[in-house]
Amino acid sequence: EPEVTQTPSHQVTQMGQEVILRCVPISNHLYFYWYRQILGQKVEFLVSFYNNEISEKSEIFDDQFSVERPDGSNFTLKIRSTKLEDSAMYFCASSEGSDRHFGSGTRLTVV
Amino acid sequence: AQSVTQLDSQVPVFEEAPVELRCNYSSSVSVYLFWYVQYPNQGLQLLLKYLSGSTLVESINGFEAEFNKSQTSFHLRKPSVHISDTAEYFCAVSDRGFQKLVFGTGTRLLVSP
Repeated sequence: EPEVTQTPSHQVTQMGQEVILRCVPISNHLYFYWYRQILGQKVEFLVSFYNNEISEKSEIFDDQFSVERPDGSNFTLKIRSTKLEDSAMYFCASSEGSDRHFGSGTRLTVV
Repeated sequence: AQSVTQLDSQVPVFEEAPVELRCNYSSSVSVYLFWYVQYPNQGLQLLLKYLSGSTLVESINGFEAEFNKSQTSFHLRKPSVHISDTAEYFCAVSDRGFQKLVFGTGTRLLVSP
């Protein structure tokens, strides 16, 4: 069964550094998403992406965040200048309708 | 805007006992409802969903949930749990546009022998 893959599984970065989290969605899906889960808290919506543009974003998704689909397969989340509070598990998801398929996540640790 | 409330942060049960995980939602528009499961150190997996039609929906591993519009609830039930059901369970709601999936805070199901 096709799946969403995310790399790396764990990334440690220094505060103020830029990070890029990578995702390969399921190939025939058209909608792409990023969510995050701070340790012990609920999963929070960050952004949805369709037809090469952001279709909706949350208040969390400020100017420090950006998303890109640089080619036909990858979907990336960039955090320009990381803060300690950006430490979380970041999940990528894709869908062609109602069912979102989630990747196994990237654990980002900002030190 | 939609919101989801999962009142129970943790539910301990013994193996083979029945369980109900509660979920209530609020929304000003028609919604779709989902339950996701997260096993330790893994991502989210769709357990079951309600889009339309029968208000009782079932998963392949014995879970079921019933959409109750008057009570704005979508409680998850299983008549007999297994040790392997130990996981975090998230209720979620989206509007009919599928853009934004809003999650509850999750309920940790702990099944012991």
